[in-house]
Formats: sequence, C-alpha cells, structure tokens
Amino acid sequence: NAGVTQTPKFQVLKTGQSMTLQCAQDMNHEYMSWYRQDPGMGLRLIHYSVGAGITDQGEVPNGYNVSRSTTEDFPLRLLSAAPSQTSVYFCASSYLARRNTEAFFGQGTRLTVV
Amino acid sequence: AQSVTQLDSQVPVFEEAPVELRCNYSSSVSVYLFWYVQYPNQGLQLLLKYLSGSTLVKGINGFEAEFNKSQTSFHLRKPSVHISDTAEYFCAVRNAGNMLTFGGGTRLMVKP
Repeated sequence: NAGVTQTPKFQVLKTGQSMTLQCAQDMNHEYMSWYRQDPGMGLRLIHYSVGAGITDQGEVPNGYNVSRSTTEDFPLRLLSAAPSQTSVYFCASSYLARRNTEAFFGQGTRLTVV
Repeated sequence: AQSVTQLDSQVPVFEEAPVELRCNYSSSVSVYLFWYVQYPNQGLQLLLKYLSGSTLVKGINGFEAEFNKSQTSFHLRKPSVHISDTAEYFCAVRNAGNMLTFGGGTRLMVKP
C-alpha cells in the first residue's frame, strides 16, 4: 500500500520556468489537497479537490494551477516559477464524508527557484 | 474563519524530562483537532486526534493531548521525552469543509 506518492523529491528551477509536481494516492480518497511549508508559517493550503473534475482555491493559490481528471491523481502546476515559490510542497488526501478521519501526506517535494 | 496558534516556535528539553507543546485555536463552529509530527526530511505523520468524547486523547509514541473547550486549547504532552522525539510538531484544525488549518509548528529539540 503506497499511500500518497509525490514526485519529484527535489527540483531546482530557473525563474520563469514551468513544471508539474505529481501526486497520486491509492486509497480511493475523495479529498486531495496541496500545501506549501515555509519556516514559521506551518502549512498553507494552495488548492484542493473534493473529487474528479472539482477543484477550488485555498489560502495561497496565486501562481499555481491544478486539475483532477481521476480520483487517484492531483498534479500541481507552476506556471512561471518565481523565487517566492521556493518551498517544500506536500500533497495530502483523506475521505470526504468522514471528516473526522486523518489526512495522509506524501513525503514532500523540495523546490528551489533561482 | 479558523486559525491555529502554536505559542512556542522552539522547545529545547533534556532527555527524560517532561514536555508540553502548546496549541490554541479559534473557530466559531465545532472542530476536529489533530497533532502531526514531521521528522527531518519526511512528510507529516498523525500523532493523535480529538473527535469527541473524552477530552484526554492518547496517541502514538507516548504522547497525549487535552482538549479544553473553554480555553480553546489542545496542548500536547509527554511525561518523558527521548532523543528520537526530536522533530517538528504541528497542531491542526479541520472544519466542516474538510480543510485543515495548521499552526506555525513547534520544533522540539531533545538534548542528551
């Protein structure tokens, strides 16, 4: 049981480049989300999805795009990378109807934009 | 809107000493409360959760937390820490929309 899988683990981008962070889960969770982690700020929600074809913005969505074509996958796209997007990114998934269950997290992607 | 405040960004403590990591939240509705732990270069792992019922919640690795509704707090405690408890700890609140709101994190540093 793989849980939540994120790729890549590390990435260095130049300013202006675009890239996609991949996230896949094998637990049939309806709810998936992306967070960024910055020192002293905890984790902040970027985008989330309550099911295939449905996405919405979180607290810090600017500069990021998401889509959810299947239950399993929830990629995060950086359209034009900026140094302010240097961060550690986490994907998480959980059941939707049972909101008292925990969220499961991937191992993270450490992104540096130079 | 809901928010979570972790009052200490770093907590140094000697091995085998007790520790308390503080968490306060604000929310106008009923919430579910969680503590997650993050070991270096890893993802987040659930330590414990408060859903309803008993206000004292026991989790993994000997940690426990007490939900105090009147003080809107959910402090994490361990009576005797080990070097392996060195990690960052996050308090989180989940609302009706499934969104998790995290505190800023507390870095626990256990010294020999």
